[in-house]
Amino acid sequence: DVVMTQSPLSLPVTLGQPASISCRSSQSLVYSNGITYLSWFQQRPGHSPRRLIYQVSDRDSGVPDRFSGGGSGTDFTLKISRVEAEDVGVYYCMQGTHWPQTFGQGTKVEIK
Amino acid sequence: EVQLVESGGALVQPGGSLRLSCAASGFIFSTYSINWVRQAPGKGLEWVSYISSSSGVVHYADSVKGRFTISRDNAKNSAFLQMNSLRAEDTGIYYCARDRHFEDWGQGTLVSVSS
Repeated sequence: DVVMTQSPLSLPVTLGQPASISCRSSQSLVYSNGITYLSWFQQRPGHSPRRLIYQVSDRDSGVPDRFSGGGSGTDFTLKISRVEAEDVGVYYCMQGTHWPQTFGQGTKVEIK
Repeated sequence: EVQLVESGGALVQPGGSLRLSCAASGFIFSTYSINWVRQAPGKGLEWVSYISSSSGVVHYADSVKGRFTISRDNAKNSAFLQMNSLRAEDTGIYYCARDRHFEDWGQGTLVSVSS
């Protein structure tokens, strides 16, 4: 199985400041069609996960533009340009290129 | 508006069975694949099973293979997860999620396996 490794696992941030989460895969996530199936999910406390980003950098409908995704191959990043209080929660990366789909361990974002 | 509503979670003894349901609305159910994902208490997300739009392709995580069966009824806009030989480590919230890349999620249903 493809192992997804996130860092850091805990991220205390100051409101209004940027935040960045890294996700590395144990093998390339480029599919045979050239598309990279790497997604990011947000899980607020007490809520279901919500997809924020798909195919590395495409934002889902309704996702604020302060969230951005980037990277290629095996190294990916989720960035929040200015953290707001509603961004508190756990963030997961997930690869959908190889079976089975696998998630990272999660990064807990909290306000300092 | 896309809606996925899971049901069927309960407290069950080890070795028991449960059937989870995922009722869908707000989209053409028969054109989308469905995944089941679970989350043990205080832990991360674990993919459990996948079924294609026509039921022609199914996949299972190794941890549930041979014990769980995924199915769907496109006429009833519903997907199901039949869980047999349940173990304590199957405890958690079970979510259904729409499409191959988890575009939308339900609110989850809680499964507790304990004697």
